[in-house]
Amino acid sequence: TQLLEQSPQFLSIQEGENLTVYCNSSSVFSSLQWYRQEPGEGPVLLVTVVTGGEVKKLKRLTFQFGDARKDSSLHITAAQPGDTGLYLCAGGPDNAGNNRKLIWGLGTSLAVNP
Amino acid sequence: NAGVMQNPRHLVRRRGQEARLRCSPMKGHSHVYWYRQLPEEGLKFMVYLQKENIIDESGMPKERFSAEFPKEGPSILRIQQVVRGDSAAYFCASSPTQTVSLHFGNGTRLTVT
Repeated sequence: TQLLEQSPQFLSIQEGENLTVYCNSSSVFSSLQWYRQEPGEGPVLLVTVVTGGEVKKLKRLTFQFGDARKDSSLHITAAQPGDTGLYLCAGGPDNAGNNRKLIWGLGTSLAVNP
Repeated sequence: NAGVMQNPRHLVRRRGQEARLRCSPMKGHSHVYWYRQLPEEGLKFMVYLQKENIIDESGMPKERFSAEFPKEGPSILRIQQVVRGDSAAYFCASSPTQTVSLHFGNGTRLTVT
C-alpha cells in the first residue's frame, strides 16, 4: 500500500519566519499535488509537480519534487497570517493520472501568528 | 463563475435517520468525486461519478451509502440509517476530465447525535 507521510504534523510560527514542510513516501509517484485547506473550507490546489527534481515557485512558496519522485517539500518564505491552514500533499501513483487514484497525506497544520 | 457548491454546510441527524448531501459541480465539469475527511484519517476517496453513471465506488461502504449524479440536477450522496461513526466532513470535488486537477467544494459537516 502506498502511503504519503507529512511532517511536521503541526507547526506554529511567528509572522516573518521561514518554514519547510515535507511529504515523504517509500513509493514512486508519477506526480504530486499540494493543496491548502483553510478552516471550514475545501482544499485548494496550489501546484502540481511531475518531473523528478522539479522546482516550482508561487510567490513566497517554493515546491520541490525529489529526484527519485518519492518525496516533496514546500518552503514558505516570510510567512504571513494568511498562510495559516492545512497543507495537504496528494500523489498520483500511475501515469494515467486518474484523480480517484490519488494518495493523500494527513497534512501539516500551519499556524502563523501575527 | 461559481465554484463547486455543496449544501447543506452543516447537517445534524439522529441515529437511524437519513442524510442527503448535495453537490453541484463547476460549470462545464462532468466528473464528480466524493470524499470523507476525518482529522485522524485524512481525505478518503469514496465514489467517482460521471453524468448518470457511477464509475468507481470502491471507497464507499456497500451498505447504507449510495450516490447518484442524474442528467439534471446535483450529485447526491445519501446515507441511510446514520450511525455516530458517520460523523465527518464530506467533500465533493469536480473536474472537466478524470485527469485534470480537482476543484473542491466547502464540504458538508455531518453530525450524528
